[in-house]
Amino acid sequence: SQLAEENLWALSVHEGESVTVNCSYKTSITALQWYRQKSGEGPAQLILIRSNEREKRNGRLRATLDTSSQSSSLSITATRCEDTAVYFCATDAWGGRALIFGTGTTVSVSP
Amino acid sequence: DPKIIQKPKYLVAVTGSEKILICEQYLGHNAMYWYRQSAKKPLEFMFSYSYQKLMDNQTASSRFQPQSSKKNHLDLQITALKPDDSATYFCASSQERQGGTEVFFGKGTRLTVV
Repeated sequence: SQLAEENLWALSVHEGESVTVNCSYKTSITALQWYRQKSGEGPAQLILIRSNEREKRNGRLRATLDTSSQSSSLSITATRCEDTAVYFCATDAWGGRALIFGTGTTVSVSP
Repeated sequence: DPKIIQKPKYLVAVTGSEKILICEQYLGHNAMYWYRQSAKKPLEFMFSYSYQKLMDNQTASSRFQPQSSKKNHLDLQITALKPDDSATYFCASSQERQGGTEVFFGKGTRLTVV
């Protein structure tokens, strides 16, 4: 079974709206990372949030981390069409020697 | 400019043949990785290298062999190809092989085995 999982397969919003992707994980972590993968590209990191942090922001992105419930969320405000992508959460495994990705949530932003 | 170069972008191979996927990174990183992504599974960690040494192998099959001829190179040789090997293979790198480190990915090589 996956060590990290996003809770929904897909979300659709209109430009300007906000969207939140949720993730749950199963192991203790040093950090949780959010990645975005656009069609035809490799994943690109958006936010890294460490286990001692509860919230992290990067422009229109906000990530939260709740280690007690082993969950995280990524919120995107004022969405744009170019935010259309698959969003993954990823946790460290084997002492940080690898990233374990969730199955991803496809976010579609329409005009 | 892409900092992690993977070649080729697309590859079609015949069942039973052998192929090499090329990866070069120009980020000055010490750790390199291979991941695989298929329609059936999420991004799946395969190998990690640190300073050109194999550190982790999560691939059950010996048909997959990484090769590091230079510090910034990590190729992936796949022998006796099977249709199930069809996937996009991503090379990645990070400054160090430890938790809480950002990992950078290439654009991938899409392999189709017929």
